[in-house]
Formats: sequence, structure tokens, C-alpha cells
Amino acid sequence: AQRVTQPEKLLSVFKGAPVELKCNYSYSGSPELFWYVQYSRQRLQLLLRHISRESIKGFTADLNKGETSFHLKKPFAQEEDSAMYYCALLTSGTYKYIFGTGTRLKVLA
Amino acid sequence: EPEVTQTPSHQVTQMGQEVILRCVPISNHLYFYWYRQILGQKVEFLVSFYNNEISEKSEIFDDQFSVERPDGSNFTLKIRSTKLEDSAMYFCASSGLADTQYFGPGTRLTVL
Repeated sequence: AQRVTQPEKLLSVFKGAPVELKCNYSYSGSPELFWYVQYSRQRLQLLLRHISRESIKGFTADLNKGETSFHLKKPFAQEEDSAMYYCALLTSGTYKYIFGTGTRLKVLA
Repeated sequence: EPEVTQTPSHQVTQMGQEVILRCVPISNHLYFYWYRQILGQKVEFLVSFYNNEISEKSEIFDDQFSVERPDGSNFTLKIRSTKLEDSAMYFCASSGLADTQYFGPGTRLTVL
């Protein structure tokens, strides 16, 4: 079955500390993976997608097919990074995202 | 930067009533989607729409639900006879190709 797992509901870190938000997926084909961020009372916004290999707002994510993971990382967290983060899988030949349950990141001063 | 818009932001209705949720996708996009998020749960896919027809739908999208693109700009989700369990946040999204999707701010539906 196609599934996205984000094991942490809540992750609290201090400002300046490294952050890693975990995402594992289950899919036998070639996945497209995305990270979306939702700041308080705002819409889901695309943060990054694996095929573009960009770094957005200091965040990076590498697709590891062996471990079926797409963890989101940032070396130094900022208070403005506090938000809900969702990992999403787009399977080939379909038009739908499969979302994880999301991780709330709290960056403490 | 163009954005997906949704109206209303909050809709309260009585059980058994019909509701229509409205979305204006990004103007040059071709694919349109509805998702919902019940409080405390994950965002779930409902339906995708392309070339004036449904491309894919989930098990949630039963006969009570329908979608329409009545003109060149709006994309609507109709729930014919609302149930308590339809209370959720409903997100519209659009994409240029069948990949990166851009989301609206959502409509909070409360069924009493």
C-alpha cells in the first residue's frame, strides 16, 4: 500500500539547533516527494520537491530510495520556522498526493 | 504571485443540507483537486479533475459529492446532503501539469 509516515507529531528545538523532520514512504514505483509547510492560519505552501534538489529557506531534503526516506533538514533552526510540516508522495500515473500526518515544529528562543 | 482562492472561509450548515464550496484555481492551470482534513487527522485526497472530467477519486468521494467547473474560472465541490462527519477543512488545489500542486487557504465546513 502507498503510505507516508511522519513519526513525530511534535518536534521542539532551540533556535540555532539543527532540525531533522522525518518522512518515510511506502511505494514500489518511482516516487515524487514533496515537503509542504503550513504557517499558523495560512495555506499549505510548497517548501521543496525532491527532483529540483533546491535549498529553500535553508531547508534541504534528500531522497534515499534504499531507506525509502525523504527527511527534511536544516542546520540552524530559526523561530520563524515554527510551523506544521507535511511530507507528500505523488505516485506515477496518478493525480493525487498522499500526505503524512504532519509534524509540528516549534523553535524555542 | 497568483494564488488559489476559496470561498467561503467558514461555512456552517445543518445536517442534511446541501453545500457548495467554491474555488478559483490559478488561471493557467489545467488540473484541479479537492482534499479534506478532519480535525486532528491527515490531509486526504478527494478528487482530481482534468479536461472537464474527474480523473481520479477516492473512496470518500461517494455519490453525495460532485465537482463542477461551471465557467472558465470557478471549480466547485458540492455535498448534496451533509452529514456530521463531513465537518472538516476542505482544500482546493491546482497544478499546471500533474505534479506540483498549489493550495488554497481552505474552507472550514461545520455540520451541526
